[in-house]
Amino acid sequence: EAQVTQNPRYLITVTGKKLTVTCSQNMNHEYMSWYRQDPGLGLRQIYYSMNVEVTDKGDVPEGYKVSRKEKRNFPLILESPSPNQTSLYFCASRLAGVREQYFGPGTRLTVT
Amino acid sequence: TQLLEQSPQFLSIQEGENLTVYCNSSSVFSSLQWYRQEPGEGPVLLVTVVTGGEVKKLKRLTFQFGDARKDSSLHITAAQPGDTGLYLCAVGSARQLTFGSGTQLTVLP
Repeated sequence: EAQVTQNPRYLITVTGKKLTVTCSQNMNHEYMSWYRQDPGLGLRQIYYSMNVEVTDKGDVPEGYKVSRKEKRNFPLILESPSPNQTSLYFCASRLAGVREQYFGPGTRLTVT
Repeated sequence: TQLLEQSPQFLSIQEGENLTVYCNSSSVFSSLQWYRQEPGEGPVLLVTVVTGGEVKKLKRLTFQFGDARKDSSLHITAAQPGDTGLYLCAVGSARQLTFGSGTQLTVLP
């Protein structure tokens, strides 16, 4: 089944404790992206990647890192999480030149 | 100021009623997408509109792109509880997709 998977789905952590949220897609998509979703603000793009080893900042990149060493994986790294990073995070992917994005099921992160 | 303004923010209606939600901007776009997001899931693409004035139908859902390609509407006929969800419009380039803040629709049985 074609899909985007994220792990973990739920995470509660403390300020300053490094964490990684994994994202994997099995559709051979070139483009992958991370979003955060907050009430009243909608989905905002954090980082995106046009292909392996090519990443760039989105609208809200502060406090986040990403890497794209393999085509299928695009992990989101929070080196020192803070409470304002409490949010619902979505990974998405699509083929180059195609508009439709496929979203993962989301990761709900709480930073205390 | 958000690039895409969606209205209403919340809408609660009875099963069988019709409704329209809106996505407005002062900018011109080459295309616009509508997504639906259900609780606990990621957004799923419903439709992409690309031509000014274009109307697309998906069963009971009718999508229209404004003539000037600055706005769009989604009309649902005879709403059902299964239509409940967050409806998001989005515009983008090869690099980035920008979303409106969405309309949360609740259809009561």
